[in-house]
Amino acid sequence: NAGVTQTPKFQVLKTGQSMTLQCAQDMNHNSMYWYRQDPGMGLRLIYYSASEGTTDKGEVPNGYNVSRLNKREFSLRLESAAPSQTSVYFCASSEVGGSYGYTFGSGTRLTVV
Amino acid sequence: EDKVVQSPLSLVVHEGDTVTLNCSYEVTNFRSLLWYKQEKKAPTFLFMLTSSGIEKKSGRLSSILDKKELSSILNITATQTGDSAIYLCAVDNYGQNFVFGPGTRLSVLP
Repeated sequence: NAGVTQTPKFQVLKTGQSMTLQCAQDMNHNSMYWYRQDPGMGLRLIYYSASEGTTDKGEVPNGYNVSRLNKREFSLRLESAAPSQTSVYFCASSEVGGSYGYTFGSGTRLTVV
Repeated sequence: EDKVVQSPLSLVVHEGDTVTLNCSYEVTNFRSLLWYKQEKKAPTFLFMLTSSGIEKKSGRLSSILDKKELSSILNITATQTGDSAIYLCAVDNYGQNFVFGPGTRLSVLP
């Protein structure tokens, strides 16, 4: 099925461990995004990539890095996980500027203990 | 700082009730307002509103934008248990991303 694919779906990390969340879209969208969702706080933007080759910080970038590997793939890396990074992470993609809304991946539930 | 506020944050109703969810925004530049429904996983798109006063409808759901009041409402009539979800409002501010509100958690009891 066409859309946004995120892996893994669930992950438990120990404090200080690192991991990479993978995201790929097959809709030929230019823009890709990483959000985190915490109870009562809605979706908060971590990083985004307006087009292949560019990345920019969002609202809550500290503790994360991203790579726009090509037009299809946008990964999110936690170098040294902290309990405050326990959250649900969503990848999304859109046409340039999001004029037709976002398509979201199914989410990654990350727990840092 | 651009901001989107939703109310109520949580709502419990019984099947058959009609509900109205509210979204208000403060953004530097407004292009569109979007409503999403989030059940267990990813948010799914409901409506995009760009023009004031024009109602968008899909079955029992409808939404309207009031640019003068910087707000939008999402109405759900004859609610069903399947309408239980978090409803997210987001604003496209001509930036590189959308600004999301905190969401309204709707619970519909049988």
